[in-house]
Amino acid sequence: QSVLTQPPSVSATPGQKVTISCSGSSFNIENNYVSWYQQLPGTVPKLLIYENNKRPSEIPDRFSGSKSGTSATLGITGLQTGDEADYYCGTWDNSLSAGVFGGGTKLTVL
Amino acid sequence: QVQLVESGGGVVQPGTSLRLSCAASGFTFGSYGMHWVRQAPGKGLDWVAVIWYDGTKKYYVDSVKGRFTISRDNSRNTLYLQMNSLRAEDTAVYYCVRYNGNWWDYWGQGTLVTVSP
Repeated sequence: QSVLTQPPSVSATPGQKVTISCSGSSFNIENNYVSWYQQLPGTVPKLLIYENNKRPSEIPDRFSGSKSGTSATLGITGLQTGDEADYYCGTWDNSLSAGVFGGGTKLTVL
Repeated sequence: QVQLVESGGGVVQPGTSLRLSCAASGFTFGSYGMHWVRQAPGKGLDWVAVIWYDGTKKYYVDSVKGRFTISRDNSRNTLYLQMNSLRAEDTAVYYCVRYNGNWWDYWGQGTLVTVSP
């Protein structure tokens, strides 16, 4: 059972938009920055979003992040088949004094 | 460019020990907190431990407290994870990850630890 809750899977068709939620608590998301990671099949996790809504320079603006209270959301527009991957949210938990990740969301682009 | 190269994984029996290493290059190692994150086969990311940039603070996930020890040698640009009393549930790919204050930015390729009788 992960400290951060994500839907196990989402799906959409190419060109559409999808959102992935990440729910936590006042101990983690509400009072800390959230980051998002993309893990393509057979590869290492890659940073997509940091500090809630910032993108590394190499990440296209199709990817966006937001946070409100104890929840965060990853948005992906203009879906491509190459976006099929597992997506994870992560942050620090002040109560546990530990890093925490969501259970991951598998994105399928039909 | 930032590089993190893990080593030390392998197949071991339950109850035994293993030490993982992570050689860092391409950045000022002693200026960053470093983490270990693991991923069991077919499962999600599981945070394991962190060590502050200067080694003064260390934190662990409950399931490894008392069994694993994170350490670093800033003169050798190397991060370590000493794993004792290994259990089947410790089987995973172990990633060495750089922490950039509020996020994990660079991940190593990982080293596989398999605990099996």
